[in-house]
Amino acid sequence: DGGITQSPKYLFRKEGQNVTLSCEQNLNHDAMYWYRQDPGQGLRLIYYSQIVNDFQKGDIAEGYSVSREKKESFPLTVTSAQKNPTAFYLCASSDRDRGRLGYTFGSGTRLTVV
Amino acid sequence: ILNVEQSPQSLHVQEGDSTNFTCSFPSSNFYALHWYRWETAKSPEALFVMTLNGDEKKKGRISATLNTKEGYSYLYIKGSQPEDSATYLCASWGAFSGAGSYQLTFGKGTKLSVIP
Repeated sequence: DGGITQSPKYLFRKEGQNVTLSCEQNLNHDAMYWYRQDPGQGLRLIYYSQIVNDFQKGDIAEGYSVSREKKESFPLTVTSAQKNPTAFYLCASSDRDRGRLGYTFGSGTRLTVV
Repeated sequence: ILNVEQSPQSLHVQEGDSTNFTCSFPSSNFYALHWYRWETAKSPEALFVMTLNGDEKKKGRISATLNTKEGYSYLYIKGSQPEDSATYLCASWGAFSGAGSYQLTFGKGTKLSVIP
C-alpha cells in the first residue's frame, strides 16, 4: 500500500546538535510538506516543496533546512539555530493541484532536545 | 497568515448522541476547505475536501457543509460511537501572506470523546 514513512518515531538529541528527520513517500505525489505541532497549537507549516529541487519557506522556517533531491524524499534538518526544537513533527504529501484530494500524512516524529 | 478557528476546543458526548463542530476561515482568496480526523497515535486522515459554496459531503455517519461567502464549515456526526473519538482538524487553502502562493492553514482542532 502507498503511504508516507517517517522515521524515527522518537528522537532524543542534545542541545546544540543538528538532527535530520526522514520522510519518504511512495504515492508519486509531487508536493511534500513539513509541519510542526506544539501543545495547544494548530499544525504550523515549516517548509514545503512542490517539485524536485525546489522548496519554499512556510510560516516558521527559521532554524530548519530541507532538501528535495528525489521525488520520494523530503528530509528535514533541525539545526542548532532552532531555539525551541522540542515538538512533534509531521510530514505530508499531496498532488500538485493544491491538494484537491487532501493531504496524506505520516505518523510523525517526536523530537526531544535535552 | 490566515486564521482558521475551530470550536469547541473539546467535546464529550454520550454514545448515540449526534454532535457538530464549527470551522471558520477567511472568505477572501478561498480555494478549498479540508477536514481531517486524527486518532491518537495514528496519522491524520482526510475526511472531506470541499471547494464550492453550498457543498455538502457525506461519509457514513459523518457529513460536512461549506459556506464560502461567510467563511464557515460545519462537521456533523450522527449517532456518535466510541470509535469516533479523535481530534477533528479543519484547514483552509488560501493565499499565503500576500506572497502569491497558496498554503493549507490548519485550525487547532476539536477533540471529541465519545463515552460508551
